[in-house]
Amino acid sequence: RKEVEQDPGPFNVPEGATVAFNCTYSNSASQSFFWYRQDCRKEPKLLMSVYSSGNEDGRFTAQLNRASQYISLLIRDSKLSDSATYLCVVNRHNFNKFYFGSGTKLNVKP
Amino acid sequence: DAGVIQSPRHEVTEMGQEVTLRCKPISGHDYLFWYRQTMMRGLELLIYFNNNVPIDDSGMPEDRFSAKMPNASFSTLKIQPSEPRDSAVYFCASSLRTSGRSYEQYFGPGTRLTVT
Repeated sequence: RKEVEQDPGPFNVPEGATVAFNCTYSNSASQSFFWYRQDCRKEPKLLMSVYSSGNEDGRFTAQLNRASQYISLLIRDSKLSDSATYLCVVNRHNFNKFYFGSGTKLNVKP
Repeated sequence: DAGVIQSPRHEVTEMGQEVTLRCKPISGHDYLFWYRQTMMRGLELLIYFNNNVPIDDSGMPEDRFSAKMPNASFSTLKIQPSEPRDSAVYFCASSLRTSGRSYEQYFGPGTRLTVT
């Protein structure tokens, strides 16, 4: 079983829509969680960390559910510039290995 | 402040040739990671270093791949001999382990390798 699983999409949404992605992880020892964004032919870049209490950064909200072992990302008022692939990442501190999901592709249409 | 630097950005080589990819991590970061990304397999961790020491190389595909980190500001990933199935984008990333809860990784722009 993969460490991190994501729906590959693509999610095709109109501008202004709200869209949510989920990601599940298999190891309950995972301790740090992140969402990365990757534009076409570019490197992954950190979008936001995910904290147990949930956290928000502008139009982006991340949630963590440890009991069910999933992470979510909510994007409100989608912009054309949000079109990218969103990678879910988990980390177990004692190994300091980062496990990347295969990514969810988002297309925001005018 | 400069980010992670990788060279070359693009490499086209023939099967059987040796390929060397280079990485300069962010100054002060104590972890360095090498990844490979393909459409089929996504982003795969090949090897990572802590304070220049290789910690986990279980992701290195086979003996044709080797990585070194002679000092805190430089690492290489070598493929010898190269094969067409090695064609991929190779990313280097670095991070700083702190007493905090997050260990964000910062990626370089990648080296796009094509082996013909």
